[in-house]
Amino acid sequence: EPEVTQTPSHQVTQMGQEVILRCVPISNHLYFYWYRQILGQKVEFLVSFYNNEISEKSEIFDDQFSVERPDGSNFTLKIRSTKLEDSAMYFCASSDDPGLFFGYTFGSGTRLTVV
Amino acid sequence: SQQGEEDPQALSIQEGENATMNCSYKTSINNLQWYRQNSGRGLVHLILIRSNEREKHSGRLRVTLDTSKKSSSLLITASRAADTASYFCAWGGGSQGNLIFGKGTKLSVKP
Repeated sequence: EPEVTQTPSHQVTQMGQEVILRCVPISNHLYFYWYRQILGQKVEFLVSFYNNEISEKSEIFDDQFSVERPDGSNFTLKIRSTKLEDSAMYFCASSDDPGLFFGYTFGSGTRLTVV
Repeated sequence: SQQGEEDPQALSIQEGENATMNCSYKTSINNLQWYRQNSGRGLVHLILIRSNEREKHSGRLRVTLDTSKKSSSLLITASRAADTASYFCAWGGGSQGNLIFGKGTKLSVKP
C-alpha cells in the first residue's frame, strides 16, 4: 500500500537553529499538508499546499515557517529559528481529493526536540 | 473556536467488549473522519462518513453521524488488545480540506 514517508524520524536541535523536515507524499496525490502534535495534546493543522503554492495556513504557521516542493516528489517544512515551543511531532499528509471521499494518508511523523 | 470535544477522554475495557467513542464538533462539515494513533506513532485513517450519510460500517467499526446534533460516534465491536490506541475524530475545516481534530479518546483493551 502506498505510504507517506517522513525523515528524519527524530531530530534534536538547538534553539535558534533552522530545521528542515522532509516528506515524500504519495506520488499521484495533489494535496499536501503539515500538522503538528505537541506531546499529549491535539493534532493541529499548520498548512495545506496545492498546485505549488500554499492554499491555507493556520495562525501557528507564522513567518518562521515555510514549505516547499523543490523537486516534484519531496515536500519540506522549514522552521527558520526554532523555539522551545516548536518541540512536537510533525506529521505530513497527502490526499488526492481533499478528503471528500477518502481520508488522508499520514506519515509516521518527525519528532522535533528543541533544546 | 472550531474545536470540538471527544468523550470519554480515556476508556478501559476488557477484550471482547465493545468500545464506543463520541465526538462533537461545532462547524458545518463535508465529512467526518476517524483516525487511530498508536503511542508515539502516526495517524492511520480508519473511516470517513460524508455529511449526507448517517451510518457507515467497516469491519468491526461502525460510525454514526448526526449533523443536527453535530455529533458522531465510533463503535468498535469485539475489541482486541491490538485495538489499544488513541482515536481521533477530524472534520474538514477549509476549502482545501484541512482537518480539525478532536482531542481524542485513549482506548485501553485489556487481554
